[in-house]
Amino acid sequence: GENVEQHPSTLSVQEGDSAVIKCTYSDSASNYFPWYKQELGKRPQLIIDIRSNVGEKKDQRIAVTLNKTAKHFSLHITETQPEDSAVYFCAASMGTGNQFYFGTGTSLTVIP
Amino acid sequence: GAVVSQHPSWVICKSGTSVKIECRSLDFQATTMFWYRQFPKQSLMLMATSNEGSKATYEQGVEKDKFLINHASLTLSTLTVTSAHPEDSSFYICSARGGGRAPGLSSTDTQYFGPGTRLTVL
Repeated sequence: GENVEQHPSTLSVQEGDSAVIKCTYSDSASNYFPWYKQELGKRPQLIIDIRSNVGEKKDQRIAVTLNKTAKHFSLHITETQPEDSAVYFCAASMGTGNQFYFGTGTSLTVIP
Repeated sequence: GAVVSQHPSWVICKSGTSVKIECRSLDFQATTMFWYRQFPKQSLMLMATSNEGSKATYEQGVEKDKFLINHASLTLSTLTVTSAHPEDSSFYICSARGGGRAPGLSSTDTQYFGPGTRLTVL
């Protein structure tokens, strides 16, 4: 089955700096890669997603890149703000109807 | 759009009792719902996948007789923890995947999560 690895497990950045979280996956059949943000005690919220036919996607301060050949994808947050502090999960899926394989999470702390 | 509710948000029960958790998609039809368990500071662990009108598919190591899942309609799935024990204490989260076009849905691939239910078994 699919195996998703996520690094780093914890990340601290100064406010205004950029944060990068990286994930790798093992199954080349995976074609959908969402990123979720989870604040303490709350539900995971989808922040951005990318499909395998696209190499990069951007939404304001958040971007995701995908390298299908290397089987890795990354989340980039620019101009970080304290409210970006949360746990971020990557996931990989083989598309509609299939389960998500989640990474182990990255706890991001943005220091004011 | 894409709102998933979960009830109750917090439940405390005595050991040996059963607890039912409801997951509802409020503004779209969810052909598939997923049930996860999450321990503190850990990732989401998939327990089972539930398709409307059919039996749930359980992940390896999850006891289907202990965690009963029913997905009777396109907007409701329930998880019943039977004969709960303290080791069942956890945060249970459901998610729903849309089966068709609906306002607010980015795609049918995306899972939308409920707010979770914190279960404490005394």
